[in-house]
Amino acid sequence: DVKVTQSSRYLVKRTGEKVFLECVQDMDHENMFWYRQDPGLGLRLIYFSYDVKMKEKGDIPEGYSVSREKKERFSLILESASTNQTSMYLCASSSAGPLAGYTFGSGTRLTVV
Amino acid sequence: DAKTTQPNSMESNEEEPVHLPCNHSTISGTDYIHWYRQLPSQGPEYVIHGLTSNVNNRMASLAIAEDRKSSTLILHRATLRDAAVYYCTDQGGSEKLVFGKGTKLTVNP
Repeated sequence: DVKVTQSSRYLVKRTGEKVFLECVQDMDHENMFWYRQDPGLGLRLIYFSYDVKMKEKGDIPEGYSVSREKKERFSLILESASTNQTSMYLCASSSAGPLAGYTFGSGTRLTVV
Repeated sequence: DAKTTQPNSMESNEEEPVHLPCNHSTISGTDYIHWYRQLPSQGPEYVIHGLTSNVNNRMASLAIAEDRKSSTLILHRATLRDAAVYYCTDQGGSEKLVFGKGTKLTVNP
């Protein structure tokens, strides 16, 4: 069964900590995406990547960075976590082209205290 | 970027058809329309997509207006397992999907 795996389901971190959220896909997809989801705001795109070592900013990149050293892995980094980054984080992947559907992971619920 | 508009919530009874509307105000001629749904405590999952013609699959049907400014996701017989948040989106000319706030569907027994 093809899937997108996020390393943690729940995560609690302290303000100021550096946080890594990992995402791995086994479908050989070119594209990978990080979204955050907050009540009343829907899904908002943080960063995405079309290829290894490539990254592009989404709608809300401030306070985040990403890394894609291998095709199957896309990491979201919070350089210095803050309480307003408490959220559900969702990773997705897709193959190239407009017909490609997204496959999402189950999400990581991050709480910053 | 693509922008879609959906009602915040809708309600249906079990075994009845459900029509979930979406407006695609910024869609361009080559953008595909996608629908996803998110069950409680899960990530979104793909439902259906189309370009111009109406589409059917095992989960749902997609009706696309002639001017492509609106689409409707049709669940022919709602079940309790269809209770979810439904998102419509289009790609706005890029490969990234911009999701709105979605429609929360409640299915009553």
